[in-house]
Amino acid sequence: QSALTQPPSASGSPGQSVTISCTGTSSDVGGYNYVSWYQQHPGKAPKLMISEVSKRPSGVPDRFSGAKSGNTASLTVSGLQPEDEADYYCSSFAGTNNYVFGTGTKVTVL
Amino acid sequence: EVQLVESGGGLVQPGGSLRLSCVVSGFTFSDQYMDWVRQAPGKGLEWVGRTTNKDTSYTTAYAASVKGRFTISRDESKNSLYLQMNSLKTEDTAVYYCARRNMAALDYWGQGTLVTVSS
Repeated sequence: QSALTQPPSASGSPGQSVTISCTGTSSDVGGYNYVSWYQQHPGKAPKLMISEVSKRPSGVPDRFSGAKSGNTASLTVSGLQPEDEADYYCSSFAGTNNYVFGTGTKVTVL
Repeated sequence: EVQLVESGGGLVQPGGSLRLSCVVSGFTFSDQYMDWVRQAPGKGLEWVGRTTNKDTSYTTAYAASVKGRFTISRDESKNSLYLQMNSLKTEDTAVYYCARRNMAALDYWGQGTLVTVSS
């Protein structure tokens, strides 16, 4: 199972929006509405930000939103804040008891 | 408060074995699916495997990269999840996280434990 494809980096100034893509295939992202997104600060454990494509867990700011079209999912962070600077990973169910993560995107707040 | 605490990491020689533990609290352990995820130094996240819950007979599934070498088990009496790692390779060097699965997402994670495979 190949990793989902994410851009290595993305950036924006405080208050701006940034969108990260996550491209898979019809066997994973395109085949199921089970895409999740994780935020990871250096030296810390990942934190769930979005589940089931667009659901935001309790406590996650509504600046974070998710969507999916075909084989590509996306995470948008609106109104960027300094604390949003982190690595972001997507993940998808890939059928037959299998899961796959994305390659990761480093978000920089300029 | 949900907590997951891993332990058991360390330095092991290629071909050796190691068992990681993850003690959980704050939720009914037997109700939950649990996963292991790893992250090689400076690299991305990699799904290792998962075990289902009591209702689905604690079945397991593994990534192709570890199948046949790693085994996930759990002890409900100790609220503990385990990862038995055999025939370790240098490419297994990583921080290993246990995580609780809620539907298709991992909603709580431990702090991770570092496994280094080197001679």
